[in-house]
Amino acid sequence: DVKVTQSSRYLVKRTGEKVFLECVQDMDHENMFWYRQDPGLGLRLIYFSYDVKMKEKGDIPEGYSVSREKKERFSLILESASTNQTSMYLCASSSPGAENYGYTFGSGTRLTVV
Amino acid sequence: DAKTTQPPSMDCAEGRAANLPCNHSTISGNEYVYWYRQIHSQGPQYIIHGLKNNETNEMASLIITEDKKSSTLILPHATLRDTAVYYCIVRVGNSNYQLIWGAGTKLIIKP
Repeated sequence: DVKVTQSSRYLVKRTGEKVFLECVQDMDHENMFWYRQDPGLGLRLIYFSYDVKMKEKGDIPEGYSVSREKKERFSLILESASTNQTSMYLCASSSPGAENYGYTFGSGTRLTVV
Repeated sequence: DAKTTQPPSMDCAEGRAANLPCNHSTISGNEYVYWYRQIHSQGPQYIIHGLKNNETNEMASLIITEDKKSSTLILPHATLRDTAVYYCIVRVGNSNYQLIWGAGTKLIIKP
């Protein structure tokens, strides 16, 4: 079964810490995405990548950076975590060549910044 | 990509068919209709998609009107595990464009 795996299901970090959220997909998908989801605000795109070493800003990139050194891995970095970054973070991948052109999501990482 | 309009919530009795509507009046001819669902505290899950013809798979059926301006997702025999938020999205099929997520419909299956 194809999968998008997020390294942690739950994380608690302190304000000011540097936080790494890791996402790995085993479908050889070209595209990878990071979203955050907050009650009443839906899914908001943070960053996405169409290829290795390539990245594009989404709707809310402030306070975040990303890294894609290998095709299967897309990392989201919170340079200095703040309480307003407490959220559910979702990683997804897709491919124009995939059967349904759709997205496959990971299970999510619920991050709490204290 | 065209925008979609969905009711914020719906109820359905267990064992009955759940019919979830979606309006996408500005859809263009090359845009697909996608449906996803998100069960509480999990990532969204792909259900089905279609371009202009009705589609059916093991999870659901998708009925698209002839003018493509609206569609209906049908869960033929709803179970309690189908309680979730259902998202209707339209996009160009084989593009790299990211999906635009609305608020979806909260479907509650009642025993």
